Amino acid sequence: AQKITQTQPGMFVQEKEAVTLDCTYDTSDPSYGLFWYKQPSSGEMIFLIYQGSYDQQNATEGRYSLNFQKARKSANLVISASQLGDSAMYFCAMRELLYNFNKFYFGSGTKLNVKP
Amino acid sequence: DVKVTQSSRYLVKRTGEKVFLECVQDMDHENMFWYRQDPGLGLRLIYFSYDVKMKEKGDIPEGYSVSREKKERFSLILESASTNQTSMYLCASSDRGGNQPQHFGDGTRLSIL
Repeated sequence: AQKITQTQPGMFVQEKEAVTLDCTYDTSDPSYGLFWYKQPSSGEMIFLIYQGSYDQQNATEGRYSLNFQKARKSANLVISASQLGDSAMYFCAMRELLYNFNKFYFGSGTKLNVKP
Repeated sequence: DVKVTQSSRYLVKRTGEKVFLECVQDMDHENMFWYRQDPGLGLRLIYFSYDVKMKEKGDIPEGYSVSREKKERFSLILESASTNQTSMYLCASSDRGGNQPQHFGDGTRLSIL
């Protein structure tokens, strides 16, 4: 079974609008971490935001926030006030902290295009 | 600042050649990883290492081996390159802490002719 599922291969958003990128995960580990990365066309992977399974609050980093719904096993990334520079691939990833501590599982990614 | 350096950005090799991809990190991280990235498939883990001389197979280790003789360096070896190994290869490192993200190199785009 897929550990991380990103169901949106591609998305468009108008500049200055907010956009939500979906991510669902599958784990029986009670302790885990969720990560989002951005990959521009230049290829480097940039870490954006982290959410721990026991964190009470949704994580925020500047224009990025994570809509964490533990019961639904979803960890959607919300980008507010989109900018042209946000056009990139976005990957959701998970690290299981008890069972497979040293492995990170990645989704297949969502390509975001921001329109002027 | 955090730095993961991959030896080549672009590489072209021939089938049957032995290919070495090098990765160096300057963050004193215990964990290092090699992934390949193909369109529509995301990142697939080839091998990872959690300490010097230690290695574990990832999801797609066939046709690859790795070496970690020093903490800062993790090498990926294609024993006999084949055209289906044409791909983008990404190296990453991470600290042991559970909330620590992976830090990635810029990637090596490898073409096997």
